[in-house]
Amino acid sequence: AQSVTQLGSHVSVSEGALVLLRCNYSSSVPPYLFWYVQYPNQGLQLLLKYTTGATLVKGINGFEAEFKKSETSFHLTKPSAHMSDAAEYFCASAGAGSYQLTFGKGTKLSVIP
Amino acid sequence: DGGITQSPKYLFRKEGQNVTLSCEQNLNHDAMYWYRQDPGQGLRLIYYSQIVNDFQKGDIAEGYSVSREKKESFPLTVTSAQKNPTAFYLCASSSYSNEAFFGQGTRLTVV
Repeated sequence: AQSVTQLGSHVSVSEGALVLLRCNYSSSVPPYLFWYVQYPNQGLQLLLKYTTGATLVKGINGFEAEFKKSETSFHLTKPSAHMSDAAEYFCASAGAGSYQLTFGKGTKLSVIP
Repeated sequence: DGGITQSPKYLFRKEGQNVTLSCEQNLNHDAMYWYRQDPGQGLRLIYYSQIVNDFQKGDIAEGYSVSREKKESFPLTVTSAQKNPTAFYLCASSSYSNEAFFGQGTRLTVV
């Protein structure tokens, strides 16, 4: 069974600082990987996804993530945090050939002015 | 516009009452899902369906029921057997090995 681990349930950064949200997956076969963002009382919105090909994936709102098979990681980064980035972020994986998504427990990002 | 519509946005349930949450999608996705979200616990899968007239239990199916009579619709019933139903419920759909699209959620409160 797949599992997704997000390190840190709560991360705080200053406005303009680097954002780094960590995600590790466990799978015997490289999965498909996703990052979602959730604003309060709303659904989840896809930020970016990795399926195959280029390991550095660019998403919306200036976010990007790098798939590192050797480290089984898919960390999310943004060079400069903005107040509007304050939200909860979820990492998820899906096995190739599978419908089912496995989610991490989420990381709440706070941005300090 | 294509998307997933959940209704209602807010729902109040009395003790011992069954309530049904609606989820409709026009994305022509085969798979649909129901998740429950509680603070600090992430998303927990209740039920999912990969095809019409078929569905499977997720991690926390007890006290819930679903149906999938149409490809577009996947309603969730929270029964009186669910002892702690107050939560935020999210419906999603996906195509094969692809990202899930989410509705805006229904917040259910027991009164």
